[in-house]
Amino acid sequence: KQEVTQIPAALSVPEGENLVLNCSFTDSAIYNLQWFRQDPGKGLTSLLLIQSSQREQTSGRLNASLDKSSGRSTLYIAASQPGDSATYLCAVRIGDGGATNKLIFGTGTLLAVQP
Amino acid sequence: DGGITQSPKYLFRKEGQNVTLSCEQNLNHDAMYWYRQDPGQGLRLIYYSQIVNDFQKGDIAEGYSVSREKKESFPLTVTSAQKNPTAFYLCASRPDRDTGELFFGEGSRLTVL
Repeated sequence: KQEVTQIPAALSVPEGENLVLNCSFTDSAIYNLQWFRQDPGKGLTSLLLIQSSQREQTSGRLNASLDKSSGRSTLYIAASQPGDSATYLCAVRIGDGGATNKLIFGTGTLLAVQP
Repeated sequence: DGGITQSPKYLFRKEGQNVTLSCEQNLNHDAMYWYRQDPGQGLRLIYYSQIVNDFQKGDIAEGYSVSREKKESFPLTVTSAQKNPTAFYLCASRPDRDTGELFFGEGSRLTVL
């Protein structure tokens, strides 16, 4: 059974610091991995999607890497800002890309960037 | 603007009542999903639909029902059979049933009094 873990559960950093959020999964047979951001009481906003054949994706100050063999993904945030404060979730899609594939979510990392 | 609209944002209901949460998307996405989010837990899949007039149970479908009569709409009914319905409900859609990013609505918070 695929399990997705995010450590730490919470993280507090001063503004301007570079930081790394971790996501690990137990079964390397994933189709893709997606990182989301969630603000309190809001829905999820997609940040980055990495297909299983890719090693990393970048968007602005965000960089996500994927190492399928070790069952790990990292989300790197450069020069953090107070506006980055939110919960960050990762999710893996299992299966072969067909109609019955599922998305398995981690429980998230709550990030607080102190001004 | 294109997006996913969930309503109502907040909903209170008495025990024993059925309630329906609305989810509408104008993104022309094929696949739509309902998730439930509880504190300290990852999102759990309730139901999903790959195409119109077709839907499948997710991991926690008991006490819920859905319909997919139109591509744009995927309403979720929380029935009185759902033992612990108080939660944050999230609707999502995907452009292609096989690939692509998942996009979410803003969520509906249901509280049972």
